[in-house]
Amino acid sequence: EAGVAQSPRYKIIEKRQSVAFWCNPISGHATLYWYQQILGQGPKLLIQFQNNGVVDDSQLPKDRFSAERLKGVDSTLKIQPAKLEDSAVYLCASSLGPRGGTNEKLFFGSGTQLSVL
Amino acid sequence: AQTVTQSQPEMSVQEAETVTLSCTYDTSENNYYLFWYKQPPSRQMILVIRQEAYKQQNATENRFSVNFQKAAKSFSLKISDSQLGDTAMYFCAFMNTNAGKSTFGDGTTLTVKP
Repeated sequence: EAGVAQSPRYKIIEKRQSVAFWCNPISGHATLYWYQQILGQGPKLLIQFQNNGVVDDSQLPKDRFSAERLKGVDSTLKIQPAKLEDSAVYLCASSLGPRGGTNEKLFFGSGTQLSVL
Repeated sequence: AQTVTQSQPEMSVQEAETVTLSCTYDTSENNYYLFWYKQPPSRQMILVIRQEAYKQQNATENRFSVNFQKAAKSFSLKISDSQLGDTAMYFCAFMNTNAGKSTFGDGTTLTVKP
């Protein structure tokens, strides 16, 4: 089965520019997550979608970050304007559902490495 | 809020030997999941092993096993017969069963030496 697809793999921008990342989850996965992973740290959840609705965006810096998941499938994460501290790897993950049982396993994409200069 | 702590930033082990990675967590919930993920240089996180909090039996997956101490809120990973391909960053993670939200530790970089 195809995994979680993310693009681009690398992105270099200057501060105050805007950038967008794209994620295509595994087919049939209802839950989609965006994580920010700063070098030397663990992934930090930015936003969680259940189908096309937002479940948790409490750690999303809403003054500059936005995300959407149209039709409950693909998702885009945007940063506008970017700051130096946004340099990180942005990971997308998906799972079958939000609850326990066999649906809690997360499948991750390879991430987008963002460098803000 | 849940927190996950990995107190060993870096560890190394000789090939074929055994190594244990530590993880502690803090939560007020009774039902949850715990995971160990591996992140190689390719950046793609791969699930190594998971543990349901309501199960007393420790999970095992081939060379990987955990020591789950619920009362102590401890969840260590043991890798037996270490292989060069085990070299990676390992993350301990906690998942809330209600909302499916995961919290990760800051990772342990494991190097397997030939």
